[in-house]
Parts: sequence; structure tokens; C-alpha cells
Amino acid sequence: EAGVTQFPSHSVIEKGQTVTLRCDPISGHDNLYWYRRVMGKEIKFLLHFVKESKQDESGMPNNRFLAERTGGTYSTLKVQPAELEDSGVYFCASSQRAGGEETQYFGPGTRLLVL
Amino acid sequence: ELKVEQNPLFLSMQEGKNYTIYCNYSTTSDRLYWYRQDPGKSLESLFVLLSNGAVKQEGRLMASLDTKARLSTLHITAAVHDLSATYFCAVDKNEKLTFGTGTRLTIIP
Repeated sequence: EAGVTQFPSHSVIEKGQTVTLRCDPISGHDNLYWYRRVMGKEIKFLLHFVKESKQDESGMPNNRFLAERTGGTYSTLKVQPAELEDSGVYFCASSQRAGGEETQYFGPGTRLLVL
Repeated sequence: ELKVEQNPLFLSMQEGKNYTIYCNYSTTSDRLYWYRQDPGKSLESLFVLLSNGAVKQEGRLMASLDTKARLSTLHITAAVHDLSATYFCAVDKNEKLTFGTGTRLTIIP
């Protein structure tokens, strides 16, 4: 069974440009999460989808970030326009259902560098 | 706001020794996770702890949870080199994970 995949693995862009990150969750997982780790800080929650609906987007830093999950399969996270402080590693995770001992399975991350 | 404190940040230990990583959190939680991350790789789930007194073991790693003290520990027994990695605890509240800072563990031959 394939794990969570993310694309691209690395992205280097200039300040003011737009970048779109993609996450493909494990097949059949209704829950999809985005997290990020900026340099020297903890991994922080961004948002949570249940199927195509945003369950919790309390961690989204500002309106330059837009996450979508059309059709309830893969998700995209767009940053427009990118700023220097957006540099970091963006992780996606998925889980089958909430509760019990269900774990969140993480992807390898996208390393974003804004110059 | 939920806060998670993990210590130590860095841990260098000799093969064969035992050590413990601590994870304290500030409010009640639904679940507590331990993850391992190798450089440039994804976070690998090690343990999910649900209830007070829960203890889980896998190989040389053992995790425990004390919900009353809001403390989880990850104990390493007779460390071997391939346990070198960064270990994170994460507290789940309403399916939102709050992570500790991570402990970078280096096992020295």
C-alpha cells in the first residue's frame, strides 16, 4: 500500500511568486491534514479536511494560504504571494477515521525556500 | 492553548545504555503519539497512547502515558546505532496535533 505522497519534494521561489504544493493521501483515508515546520520552530498544524470539507483551518497563518481538496482525494496548498517567512517544510498527513488508536500517517514533506 | 514540552532537545548516548525522553503537556488530550524522523524522511508513527497508564513496547523502545501528570515518556533500552533519529511527541486534541520540539538522539558506538 502506497503511503502519503507529496509533490514537489523541494521548491525554491522568489518572494512574491506563487507556489502550489500537492498531497496525495493514503487511498481510502477521509482525513487529510497539513502541517508545517519553519526553521527552528515546532511542527505546527495548519488545517484538517474531512473528505472535501474543511473541518478545522484554525492554523492557517493568513489569507495568502489557500488549501483545497476537490473531490475528497488529493489536496493542494497554494501560497500566493509567497513571503520569506513562509520558508520551511510542509507536511501532509492522512488518517482513515477519527478516534481510537488511528494514527496520522505523514508524507515526506515539501521543502520550500522563499528567496 | 495547548503547550507541549519535550526534553532533552539533544541526546548523545553510548550503545548499550538506557535513557528516557520526556514529554509534558499543559491540558487534557485525546491521544498522545510518538513519532520518529530520520533526516530528510517523513515522520514514522511509533506509538499511539490513549488512556492513563497505557504502556506500549516495540523492540528497544517503550512508551508510557500518565494523563494525571500530563506526562509521557519514551524509554530506550540498550541503545543501538540504528535508533539514531529525531523523536517527536505529539498531543492530539480534536484531531489537531501539537508537537514537542523533538529530541535529536545520537547513538555513539
